[in-house]
Amino acid sequence: ILNVEQSPQSLHVQEGDSTNFTCSFPSSNFYALHWYRWETAKSPEALFVMTLNGDEKKKGRISATLNTKEGYSYLYIKGSQPEDSATYLCARFSGTYKYIFGTGTRLKVLA
Amino acid sequence: GAGVSQSPSNKVTEKGKDVELRCDPISGHTALYWYRQSLGQGLEFLIYFQGNSAPDKSGLPSDRFSAERTGGSVSTLTIQRTQQEDSAVYLCASVSTGSSYNSPLHFGNGTRLTVT
Repeated sequence: ILNVEQSPQSLHVQEGDSTNFTCSFPSSNFYALHWYRWETAKSPEALFVMTLNGDEKKKGRISATLNTKEGYSYLYIKGSQPEDSATYLCARFSGTYKYIFGTGTRLKVLA
Repeated sequence: GAGVSQSPSNKVTEKGKDVELRCDPISGHTALYWYRQSLGQGLEFLIYFQGNSAPDKSGLPSDRFSAERTGGSVSTLTIQRTQQEDSAVYLCASVSTGSSYNSPLHFGNGTRLTVT
């Protein structure tokens, strides 16, 4: 993996469904992985900052895991609600000030 | 406290005109980033400031783009002779220092630039 890649690109789920997305990144020289939620007409908002292999973070119904050795992170949303509709971005800190972002997963939760 | 402020929120300009986008970061944040998102693309890095200096300008797409930061605070991104491919949402983000990768970036609401 040379770049930060996210999948799926978009998905629609029904209210109440649980869902998850993937962020894949180069595993070498790892420093940190960030997750952001970007709602339409708002600013991207930080969800999690993850630095250690095996990290698991949770914020309400949203949680994330990190595997730095194989270069991936999963974001889980339990019991999706319409207000969870947003684009979810992951970003890898490159070690030279720069954050490399994935193209995002666009989630639409249908009521 | 106040977050990152960007202005204008929307800008429509004619091809060939110059535009200036402004970012007011969180007070005390020494690191400032500019990113842009074009339609269907991910967030593209443009430039990074640590204080008033820009050690990394590698993302600026062409010499029509320039940016400055004064007083370790406000930053302006200037695009000269705008082209239609410059149409995008331009985002500014700040963080306490550029090396504090365990602190999240704080983003502004962005400037949506449309070049007609």
